[in-house]
Amino acid sequence: GQQLNQSPQSMFIQEGEDVSMNCTSSSIFNTWLWYKQDPGEGPVLLIALYKAGELTSNGRLTAQFGITRKDSFLNISASIPSDVGIYFCAGPSNSGGSNYKLTFGKGTLLTVNP
Amino acid sequence: GAVVSQHPSWVICKSGTSVKIECRSLDFQATTMFWYRQFPKQSLMLMATSNEGSKATYEQGVEKDKFLINHASLTLSTLTVTSAHPEDSSFYICSARDTATYEQYFGPGTRLTVT
Repeated sequence: GQQLNQSPQSMFIQEGEDVSMNCTSSSIFNTWLWYKQDPGEGPVLLIALYKAGELTSNGRLTAQFGITRKDSFLNISASIPSDVGIYFCAGPSNSGGSNYKLTFGKGTLLTVNP
Repeated sequence: GAVVSQHPSWVICKSGTSVKIECRSLDFQATTMFWYRQFPKQSLMLMATSNEGSKATYEQGVEKDKFLINHASLTLSTLTVTSAHPEDSSFYICSARDTATYEQYFGPGTRLTVT
């Protein structure tokens, strides 16, 4: 099946720093989704990307859908302690029709030191 | 925004007993719901797709007789872990797909500990 390679696995940064993480796939995705999971909680959708080349922002978060449709990145600017958590990329595991299943990357664990 | 609830949020049970976890979409209808399992420091692994009014579709390697799924209404799916064993201890997360928009929303998860 389709697999998503997410990097880095973990990051330790100082408050105020910018962060970048990315996902790549060997196959084409029609949608890229970025989720954040706080400890002991379910994932929450941060940004959804539906078009190759699309650049979308949500507050301090910016994500881009790669032109090749095989990659996406998520940037967090001016990090704050509450940004701590696990960030997952995800995409539909088939052509993206209404009956899709999500495939998740392995996640990036972000730690922000105050 | 759309809300998905899970009950219970955590449960401890003895080995050999069965545990039922509920997943509800609170303000939208969900023809399709999904059940995931997540082990510590790992990603979400899809266990099964739950379809309202029909049988669930299980992922390869997931025992359907052990993880019973019922999706009897457009807002409720249940996962029953039968004859639980310590290796079934995990974080179980459901998600529900809004029938109208196809957006998928996740529940807060249920922590299962089997002693």
